[in-house]
Amino acid sequence: DVKVTQSSRYLVKRTGEKVFLECVQDMDHENMFWYRQDPGLGLRLIYFSYDVKMKEKGDIPEGYSVSREKKERFSLILESASTNQTSMYLCASSFLRDTQYFGPGTRLTVL
Amino acid sequence: LAKTTQPISMDSYEGQEVNITCSHNNIATNDYITWYQQFPSQGPRFIIQGYKTKVTNEVASLFIPADRKSSTLSLPRVSLSDTAVYYCLVGDILTGGGNKLTFGTGTQLKVEL
Repeated sequence: DVKVTQSSRYLVKRTGEKVFLECVQDMDHENMFWYRQDPGLGLRLIYFSYDVKMKEKGDIPEGYSVSREKKERFSLILESASTNQTSMYLCASSFLRDTQYFGPGTRLTVL
Repeated sequence: LAKTTQPISMDSYEGQEVNITCSHNNIATNDYITWYQQFPSQGPRFIIQGYKTKVTNEVASLFIPADRKSSTLSLPRVSLSDTAVYYCLVGDILTGGGNKLTFGTGTQLKVEL
């Protein structure tokens, strides 16, 4: 079974803090994704990576950056957290055009 | 960017067939249509994927008309455990990168006895 794990299920940070969200997949997938999920807005793509050190912006990249130094790991970075970044963050991975496998999500609260 | 539109919610009873439609009027030639299911406090889970006509697996069927501007997820004989949010995703990873992947806002399906 494909497994996508995220470093934390719940996270509370303060405004202005630098926040790292980690995602690891164990299936040697090429593609990895970061989404945020908000009530009434569904899932919105933040960033996407199709290979090590490669990234592409999604629909809402502002305020976020990503890092992919190893194939299995994709990190989402909030350089200076703000209250409007309080959300559920979901990581996913896939092989080429194949289906995406999602992690359990990290619920981030920024105070 | 393929904008998708789904009903916000649907109600059904156990044993009935449920059809959820997703509109994607500006779908591109290379875009695939994928449906996901999400339970509370979990990430979405793949249900079915198609490009055109009809696709069926052990869980659901996906109907895509010739113009591909909409798709319908069909769940046969739903049970209480099918209560979840259903998302349609339109896009293609291999052309245009992740920017072309667009999730709908989801349909909350509630199944009652």
